[in-house]
Amino acid sequence: QVQLVQSGAEVKKPGASVKVSCKASGYTFTGFFMHWVRQAPGQGLEWMGWVNPNSGDTDYGQKFRGRVTMTRDTSINTAYMELTSLRSEDTAVYYCAKVIAGSVAFDIWGQGTMVTVSA
Amino acid sequence: SYELTQPLSVSVALGQTARITCGGNNIGSKSVHWYQQKPGQAPVLVIYRDIYRPSGIPERFSGSASGNTATLTISTAQAGDEAVFYCQVWDSSTVVFGGGTKLTVL
Repeated sequence: QVQLVQSGAEVKKPGASVKVSCKASGYTFTGFFMHWVRQAPGQGLEWMGWVNPNSGDTDYGQKFRGRVTMTRDTSINTAYMELTSLRSEDTAVYYCAKVIAGSVAFDIWGQGTMVTVSA
Repeated sequence: SYELTQPLSVSVALGQTARITCGGNNIGSKSVHWYQQKPGQAPVLVIYRDIYRPSGIPERFSGSASGNTATLTISTAQAGDEAVFYCQVWDSSTVVFGGGTKLTVL
């Protein structure tokens, strides 16, 4: 079945970086853009950006430009999201999400990765 | 930047119809998508492109959009429908989410 499996929870100190992985299976990885969305505790969904698994092209939300890098490894059907200069406000669950064909809507989500930033 | 406005909460009696709105400037001209998120779980797509249901989503879930308002309708509400619902659009190369609506089934 189509699924996205993310890496495990992380605890980081302020100023550090985190890299979250998202392994895709059950579909053609290079055929659909992958987006990243985060959710702070008790808050709503916040879009971060996307990576085109076919070309490696990316685009990021204004808030995250300069701090986020999204990449992919087509040999292992895995997308990555790296966020640098972490601060406490970055504490959140980070999700990867696959777009549905023909629309920027997300039909498959990863299970989420909790990233905690604490001194 | 584009904004989507949702009510914080909506309540519905068991077996009745719930309607959750999503307001945005001329939202009827965009494709609107809806997600259901239960506590501790990832969001699930329940409606895409205004009116379409992904496979596995009950027919009780339907959507519409016109003018400045999109609406998610849940008929014959069940206890298991309790969740937070988010609307979402793509605008100016940006994904925009509404703030979310907590649906309570009484």
